[in-house]
Amino acid sequence: EDKVVQSPLSLVVHEGDTVTLNCSYEVTNFRSLLWYKQEKKAPTFLFMLTSSGIEKKSGRLSSILDKKELFSILNITATQTGDSAVYLCAVGEYGNKLVFGAGTILRVKS
Amino acid sequence: NAGVMQNPRHLVRRRGQEARLRCSPMKGHSHVYWYRQLPEEGLKFMVYLQKENIIDESGMPKERFSAEFPKEGPSILRIQQVVRGDSAAYFCASQDSGLMDEQFFGPGTRLTVL
Repeated sequence: EDKVVQSPLSLVVHEGDTVTLNCSYEVTNFRSLLWYKQEKKAPTFLFMLTSSGIEKKSGRLSSILDKKELFSILNITATQTGDSAVYLCAVGEYGNKLVFGAGTILRVKS
Repeated sequence: NAGVMQNPRHLVRRRGQEARLRCSPMKGHSHVYWYRQLPEEGLKFMVYLQKENIIDESGMPKERFSAEFPKEGPSILRIQQVVRGDSAAYFCASQDSGLMDEQFFGPGTRLTVL
């Protein structure tokens, strides 16, 4: 059965800290890996990764994919309270559906 | 360009009633997905539709659940004879074409079954 596992399940940090969120997967028909941020409403798209070793950056957020070891990380530097959310990792399969992990709950304390 | 719209945002039903959830995709998007999120769990795929066609319904329970995406109007997820276990957040996502994986999500409908 296809599986996406995120760790840690939850994390509490102070403003200014750097965090690394992990996502590993076992999926038959891998096509891409996506990261979303969910704040009590619609998940909002952050990144889509298809190639190993190529870092994607957006402001203080960055992500990279390792297709050999079947994992991805999401880094957030200089965290702010507005970064508090659930971060979802999903794998896109051929056939188009997304397989989601359970998410990492991040809380940034001021 | 309005995002994905879902209504109602909150829906309360008694056991045995029907629930009808609506999703209007982003303008120009012809691919719609429905996902269910149970408390403390990730989103689980239910069904993938294109206009007038169900492409993949492998995640949808065989009984009581149905989905459609007509030529005109929103996509509808219908749950007949709801039970307490149907209580969840139901998210719709739309996609420009089947070639790209990026899906844009609506705000969800939170269904509570009393």
